[in-house]
Amino acid sequence: GNSVTQMEGPVTLSEEAFLTINCTYTATGYPSLFWYVQYPGEGLQLLLKATKADDKGSNKGFEATYRKETTSFHLEKGSVQVSDSAVYFCALKDSNYQLIWGAGTKLIIKP
Amino acid sequence: ETGVTQSPTHLIKTRGQQVTLRCSSQSGHNTVSWYQQALGQGPQFIFQYYREEENGRGNFPPRFSGLQFPNYSSELNVNALELDDSALYLCASSLAEGPDTQYFGPGTRLTVL
Repeated sequence: GNSVTQMEGPVTLSEEAFLTINCTYTATGYPSLFWYVQYPGEGLQLLLKATKADDKGSNKGFEATYRKETTSFHLEKGSVQVSDSAVYFCALKDSNYQLIWGAGTKLIIKP
Repeated sequence: ETGVTQSPTHLIKTRGQQVTLRCSSQSGHNTVSWYQQALGQGPQFIFQYYREEENGRGNFPPRFSGLQFPNYSSELNVNALELDDSALYLCASSLAEGPDTQYFGPGTRLTVL
């Protein structure tokens, strides 16, 4: 069945460090891919998305590229801030239009 | 444009009881999905409603049921509550049943004692 696997957390970085959170997926067809973020005490927010192979989603300095050949959608940011501390979820939308989620990666940024 | 709202924010029930959670969709959105998020885990898809009809369901037993109303607001009902039903319940709305972005409400925290 369809599934999403993302790197386990917590990931702890210093401010201005480079961030990568790995996400790989298993799916039939060509799913849309998403990164959602959940800040402490808040609901899930869409961070970025990509709907077809080689698309790059970007928002707030974060980027992720839909790689069909490696079935990956890794999240990157060149210089993280303390305010980026949150839980990040990778998800795919399958042919039944259901969102399938990874387990989430907690990101901690230290000043 | 109002976002997705959910009520109540928190709820405490005892095992065996029944609960109803409510969701108001973002303006103009005709599709609502419900998710269960256990502590420290990703959300799990419960079901989706499109124009008042259920059109997709995850791996949840029949005691989880729902409704969507003509104004596209929605309810999630859970009967015969079990301890493992304790979780954050999320509602998400979207413009269509297709691959459009889903917008999430803040969730209802359900605790079953």
